[in-house]
Amino acid sequence: GAVVSQHPSWVICKSGTSVKIECRSLDFQATTMFWYRQFPKQSLMLMATSNEGSKATYEQGVEKDKFLINHASLTLSTLTVTSAHPEDSSFYICSATSGRAGGDTQYFGPGTRLTVL
Amino acid sequence: QKEVEQDPGPLSVPEGAIVSLNCTYSNSAFQYFMWYRQYSRKGPELLMYTYSSGNKEDGRFTAQVDKSSKYISLFIRDSQPSDSATYLCAMITDSWGKLQFGAGTQVVVTP
Repeated sequence: GAVVSQHPSWVICKSGTSVKIECRSLDFQATTMFWYRQFPKQSLMLMATSNEGSKATYEQGVEKDKFLINHASLTLSTLTVTSAHPEDSSFYICSATSGRAGGDTQYFGPGTRLTVL
Repeated sequence: QKEVEQDPGPLSVPEGAIVSLNCTYSNSAFQYFMWYRQYSRKGPELLMYTYSSGNKEDGRFTAQVDKSSKYISLFIRDSQPSDSATYLCAMITDSWGKLQFGAGTQVVVTP
């Protein structure tokens, strides 16, 4: 159980275009989803916390108008990178929890590698 | 000072050896501790989840938590080349499950 999927796994786009990444919890309802980015040989950097039916909470320094997050259902959250630039090239990973109070664990998706040309 | 400190390695061990990994943390409010394994270009995979001080064993993996010293450890027995990966410690920081990660330790198990 506790499977999280991401789509696409790999995407290349031109500078200035927008890219949407989907994150789905396949066998549980995810009241909370998290979006991370990871640069080579670095740890995961939390971008935002997304709760179903409400606006995402962004970490300091993350542009909410550039990284649009929608958590429309208990099994789906999307991250849209708007007007992507080469510096947005990174590995984007989502995770999900069932959101119980206290120490619920996060289950991670396989990641999406974004390359902006 | 970072809230969670973890040596990035790399840590190289011969096949069959015990791998010893650790993290220290500064916030005594942290109560839930996890170890994730991440292969290159993949998402992290949960290995161990612990709450209280003491040991927890699962197969070849043993997780230790010492809350008085703010120190957690992961031991991998009978290491295999397939254990070569980056190991990340993580701690839950709020009621939504937000995680604080260590830097990750790269482990290389040589045949």
